[in-house]
Amino acid sequence: DIVMTQSPLSLPVTPGEPASISCRSSQSLLDSNGYNYLDWYVQKPGQSPQLLIYLASNRASGVPDRFSGSGSGTDYTLEISRVEAEDVGIYYCMQALQTPYTFGQGTNLEIK
Amino acid sequence: QVQLRQSGPGLVRPSQTLSLTCTVSGDSINSDRYFWTWIRQHPGKGLESIGLIYHSGATHYNPSLQSRVTISLDTSKSQFSLRLNSVTAADTAVYYCARGTEYTSSSVLLKRSYYYYYGLEVWGQGTTVIVSS
Repeated sequence: DIVMTQSPLSLPVTPGEPASISCRSSQSLLDSNGYNYLDWYVQKPGQSPQLLIYLASNRASGVPDRFSGSGSGTDYTLEISRVEAEDVGIYYCMQALQTPYTFGQGTNLEIK
Repeated sequence: QVQLRQSGPGLVRPSQTLSLTCTVSGDSINSDRYFWTWIRQHPGKGLESIGLIYHSGATHYNPSLQSRVTISLDTSKSQFSLRLNSVTAADTAVYYCARGTEYTSSSVLLKRSYYYYYGLEVWGQGTTVIVSS
């Protein structure tokens, strides 16, 4: 299985400030078709996970443009340009290159 | 607006079979653009993929659960289901169903294929399953 490692695991952020989460995979997620099969999800308190970013850098429908994803190969980053109170939750990266799909441990974003 | 509605018992006895169903509304389950997946989350833990099924009926299971799990598709009822046999306390978790989008199209004229993937866009509400006698 591909192992996904996130950092940090806890991320206190002041509203209005930027935030960044790193995700590293144990092998490259770059497919021969040129796409990086890396998604980002957020699980807000008491809710099901929801998709933020797919294929490393594509925002899902309805996701605010303050969220952006980047990276290729084995290293990826989720950035929030200006954190808002509603962004509180646990953020997960997930590789979809090969089954079983695997997730990072999660990063708990909290408001200072 | 597509929705996934989960159903099934919240309490299962040890050694019995866990059965959950995910009912799809607002879109067709009978599309080759989608795959259907089950994911679980142990108490206070992260997310674990259980397996997925394509429109063709092809399945991929997590090797750690493969000997005990079956995912099936019933297009006549717009449902897909999870069965997990011989459960133990370690199977206590919140179970989620989700829909992913992934497909390929080919251009005969250009002699190339185009690949599309849009992530796990739609999730069910989650079902807490406790394994206990």
